Amino acid sequence: GEDVEQSLFLSVREGDSSVINCTYTDSSSTYLYWYKQEPGAGLQLLTYIFSNMDMKQDQRLTVLLNKKDKHLSLRIADTQTGDSAIYFCAERRQGGYNKLIFGAGTRLAVHP
Amino acid sequence: EADIYQTPRYLVIGTGKKITLECSQTMGHDKMYWYQQDPGMELHLIHYSYGVNSTEKGDLSSESTVSRIRTEHFPLTLESARPSHTSQYLCASSERGGGKDTEAFFGQGTRLTVV
Repeated sequence: GEDVEQSLFLSVREGDSSVINCTYTDSSSTYLYWYKQEPGAGLQLLTYIFSNMDMKQDQRLTVLLNKKDKHLSLRIADTQTGDSAIYFCAERRQGGYNKLIFGAGTRLAVHP
Repeated sequence: EADIYQTPRYLVIGTGKKITLECSQTMGHDKMYWYQQDPGMELHLIHYSYGVNSTEKGDLSSESTVSRIRTEHFPLTLESARPSHTSQYLCASSERGGGKDTEAFFGQGTRLTVV
C-alpha cells in the first residue's frame, strides 16, 4: 500500500537514547528523511539518508536503513527535553514529481 | 531558517464561507506543495505546483483549489467551507530536481476549524 508506518508515541527518560522506527513501502525510493515538528511550528528536516547507505551519523543522530526490510530508524543519543516533538519519517519516491510520502509521525515525550 | 510563511496561523469560520489560506516563500523555489494533516495521521499531499501557471492535484482528493500566478505565492481556496474541512494545512516548497538538495521547507501551518 501507500502507507509509511510509524508508532505514534514514545516516552523516554532524559539522558537515555530514543529509537524511532519507520517502515516504508517503495523499494525504489531514493532518499529517506526524518523531519521534526515542534509544537506550533512547521516541519524541519533533521537528517536524510540515501538509499544505498546503511547508516548515517550526525552528532547525536544515527539513521539506520535496512533496505531489504524497508525499515528506517532514527536514534537520538542522550535525549534532552528539547527533543520532545513529533518526528516524521518520509520517503521520496521515484517518478512523476518525486513526491514525498510521510508517516503519521511519532510523538516523543522526554521526562526527567 | 526557512523563508516560507503561512497566514493565518489559526482560523475558525462558519460553514459556507469562502476562505483563502495564504502561502508565500522568498527562496525562489519552483516547486510548492499543500499538505493536509489530521491529528495523529499522515501528511497527505492535496496540491502541488512545478512553477508559475502549473497546478496539479495530489494524492488525497480535496475540494480546495490552488493557483500559482507568481513563483512566490501559492494560495489555497475553499469556496464553501464545511466542518469536514477542519484540519491543519501545511504549505511547503523545494527547488526543482530530485536529489538530496530538494529538501522541502515547510511553513508553520494553518489550523482551520469550520463550525
